[in-house]
Amino acid sequence: QVQLQESGPGLVKPSQTLSLTCTVSGDSFSSGSYYWSWIRQPAGKGLEWIGRIYTSGRTNYNPSLKSRVTISVDTSKNQFSLKLSSVTAADTAVYYCATAPGGRTSLDYWGQGTLVTVSS
Amino acid sequence: SYELTQPLSVSVALGQTARITCGGNNIGSKSVHWYQQKPGQAPVLVIYSDGNRPSGIPERISGSNSGNTATLTISGAQAGDEADFYCQVWDSNTVVFGGGTKLTVL
Repeated sequence: QVQLQESGPGLVKPSQTLSLTCTVSGDSFSSGSYYWSWIRQPAGKGLEWIGRIYTSGRTNYNPSLKSRVTISVDTSKNQFSLKLSSVTAADTAVYYCATAPGGRTSLDYWGQGTLVTVSS
Repeated sequence: SYELTQPLSVSVALGQTARITCGGNNIGSKSVHWYQQKPGQAPVLVIYSDGNRPSGIPERISGSNSGNTATLTISGAQAGDEADFYCQVWDSNTVVFGGGTKLTVL
């Protein structure tokens, strides 16, 4: 069973960079290939996929966010990370990390989510 | 970009069958996944690859996919089934979510 936990600042100032980390427990990092995704959800709204990274480091990003997003993975720490630059109030949301075994296009396991507010 | 269309809300009487649709151009050629999200909680995968249930998901939850519509069916609806439901596909190297459907059990 895979467990994920998001961490990072809950408050970010406009124009700054949002940085979050997802720590993974279980044997997923060492046992095979997984896709590691970030998803966000503004209050009262639907889910928006941000992007994902494969264990090998290959990435896919949402075209609408691609210019501001970087996702990276650190297998030695069982972590993967999200950086979103030049944030505005529109980036205020609950941010989730999620994963699925390589070859699957679903999101099988999710973290509990972390609220990030963009405000001065 | 690919779009998925879901009804904003669906209501079902207690014990009856609820059907939540997810429309998309030739969606039957894609693999559709469904998530249930209760208030204040993270989404949970309830159906993957059109009609497969992850471990722990009851048999009364099922899925189908054909033509331009995928359908999530919840039989014998219970009060605990009230939630938002999202469909999802993979298209052009991106994850695409439907807008979500709020299921109300009357």
